[in-house]
Amino acid sequence: GENVEQHPSTLSVQEGDSAVIKCTYSDSASNYFPWYKQELGKGPQLIIDIRSNVGEKKDQRIAVTLNKTAKHFSLHITETQPEDSAVYFCAASIIGKAAGNKLTFGGGTRVLVKP
Amino acid sequence: DGGITQSPKYLFRKEGQNVTLSCEQNLNHDAMYWYRQDPGQGLRLIYYSQIVNDFQKGDIAEGYSVSREKKESFPLTVTSAQKNPTAFYLCASSIVTGGGYEQYFGPGTRLTVT
Repeated sequence: GENVEQHPSTLSVQEGDSAVIKCTYSDSASNYFPWYKQELGKGPQLIIDIRSNVGEKKDQRIAVTLNKTAKHFSLHITETQPEDSAVYFCAASIIGKAAGNKLTFGGGTRVLVKP
Repeated sequence: DGGITQSPKYLFRKEGQNVTLSCEQNLNHDAMYWYRQDPGQGLRLIYYSQIVNDFQKGDIAEGYSVSREKKESFPLTVTSAQKNPTAFYLCASSIVTGGGYEQYFGPGTRLTVT
């Protein structure tokens, strides 16, 4: 089955700096890669996602890059703000009815933005 | 208000008792999922269902059971056979076909078994 590794497990940055989180996956058939943000005691919320036919996607201060050959993808947050402090999860999936749209999650990265 | 509701938010049980966690969605999604989250770890899939009256085991189904009698409801029972049931349980839903693969998560239920 799919295995997703996520690094680093914790990340402390100064407000205004950039944060980068990296994930690798094992199943070359995976074709959908979402990133979720989880605040304390709450359910995860999707912040950005990318499909395997795209190499990069950007949404304001957040961007995701995908390297299919190397089987890794990264989340980039620019101009970090205190409200970006949370736990971030990457995930991988094979989309479609046959595969069940099951997500395999990385272990999470706790991001702390220091004012 | 559209979304996923899970109840209760906190649940306490004695060891050896079965307990059922509720998950309801009004998003008209076909697929529903149950995940388990342990402290400092990622989410692991317990069970999922793509259609009423059908469900599939995830990666850690042992000691759990589910039912899907209605499209909007997917309750999870944690049985006494689950060796380490204390965890944060998250329910999610998504469409299955037609684009838009996001899974929407509920607020979670924190189960403590002593």
